[in-house]
Amino acid sequence: DQQVKQNSPSLSVQEGRISILNCDYTNSMFDYFLWYKKYPAEGPTFLISISSIKDKNEDGRFTVFLNKSAKHLSLHIVPSQPGDSAVYFCAARVSDGGYQKVTFGTGTKLQVIP
Amino acid sequence: ETGVTQTPRHLVMGMTNKKSLKCEQHLGHNAMYWYKQSAKKPLELMFVYSLEERVENNSVPSRFSPECPNSSHLFLHLHTLQPEDSALYLCASSQEGTGLDEQFFGPGTRLTVL
Repeated sequence: DQQVKQNSPSLSVQEGRISILNCDYTNSMFDYFLWYKKYPAEGPTFLISISSIKDKNEDGRFTVFLNKSAKHLSLHIVPSQPGDSAVYFCAARVSDGGYQKVTFGTGTKLQVIP
Repeated sequence: ETGVTQTPRHLVMGMTNKKSLKCEQHLGHNAMYWYKQSAKKPLELMFVYSLEERVENNSVPSRFSPECPNSSHLFLHLHTLQPEDSALYLCASSQEGTGLDEQFFGPGTRLTVL
């Protein structure tokens, strides 16, 4: 049973427009949500996160929105740039005995077209 | 070297071989992780070491054997693997207990089992 789902395997957006990546989860015990970005031949890199007690977190061009009642979060990138083309992973964390237990989604491949 | 490094980057092995994957983190972190990423599947947590002690073993087959000799190094010893074990193996580290939540990933080892 997949607790973190990214239902769109890919997304294409024109440069300068908004990219919206979506993520759904099922476990109400998740207390922190993260987005990671992955370029080919590299490991995932942390992008932005949000605590379960908040509904929005913004960092430059990146904003993450959390809707707890719908168990849904989204990542907005605006304006989108060609360098944003990568695979984006949604992840959710349960605090468990002092270490992170993180569950990842399958990823959404974003292509930003110049 | 900075961040998290992994060697080798690519590995091809037969089912009867014994090999080891190596991970080193240069970030002073106190927790390290092994993940497996198979095609079209989410990252799967395999092992967690916190303060050099194994705290999580996600029902991983015994043909995978982790070793954490110190807080900077993590190994994954492989023996009698199966073709379905072919995947990208990612190492990550984090600093537990500080409120910082992101994990830092290495570039991964692409493993092919023939």
